[in-house]
Amino acid sequence: DQQVKQNSPSLSVQEGRISILNCDYTNSMFDYFLWYKKYPAEGPTFLISISSIKDKNEDGRFTVFLNKSAKHLSLHIVPSQPGDSAVYFCAASASANFGNEKLTFGTGTRLTIIP
Amino acid sequence: DSGVTQTPKHLITATGQRVTLRCSPRSGDLSVYWYQQSLDQGLQFLIQYYNGEERAKGNILERFSAQQFPDLHSELNLSSLELGDSALYFCASSVVAGFRELFFGEGSRLTVL
Repeated sequence: DQQVKQNSPSLSVQEGRISILNCDYTNSMFDYFLWYKKYPAEGPTFLISISSIKDKNEDGRFTVFLNKSAKHLSLHIVPSQPGDSAVYFCAASASANFGNEKLTFGTGTRLTIIP
Repeated sequence: DSGVTQTPKHLITATGQRVTLRCSPRSGDLSVYWYQQSLDQGLQFLIQYYNGEERAKGNILERFSAQQFPDLHSELNLSSLELGDSALYFCASSVVAGFRELFFGEGSRLTVL
């Protein structure tokens, strides 16, 4: 059972435009969400997170939006740059498991920025 | 560089064999996590250790085992290997057990022939 879903395996966006990556979850216990970025031959690196008490969190060019009623979150990258080309993983965790947090990951979306 | 070191980076072995993957967490991090990424799959949580003790278990097969040593490095042992065990195995660490921004190593790619 895939509790975190990224339905778009890949996405191509023109440089300078907005990239929007989507993620859906099914477990209503999830209350903390993260995005990780992964380059080839490297491990995932933390990008941005959001708690369920917020509906938006911004960090520079990256903004994550959370719609709890729809169990949906999205990552917006504006403007997109060639260095943003990577695989992006959405992840979620439940505070009810505090102390033994495990992250549940989606399958990833490969973002390609076209120069 | 995340500060998490995994060895070996690549490993090719045969079915039925046993391998050990090693992870050194970031300096000062007490919690270690193991994840498996198979082809076109997300990262599947295997197991977590905190300061030498097992903290949480995920979808880890009985053929797999792990431990965290007093110096906080961790080893993941995979035995009676099957073709389906071919995957990238990531180790991650965090300062404390409840800190969710994990730092990942580069992974160990295991190929079972």
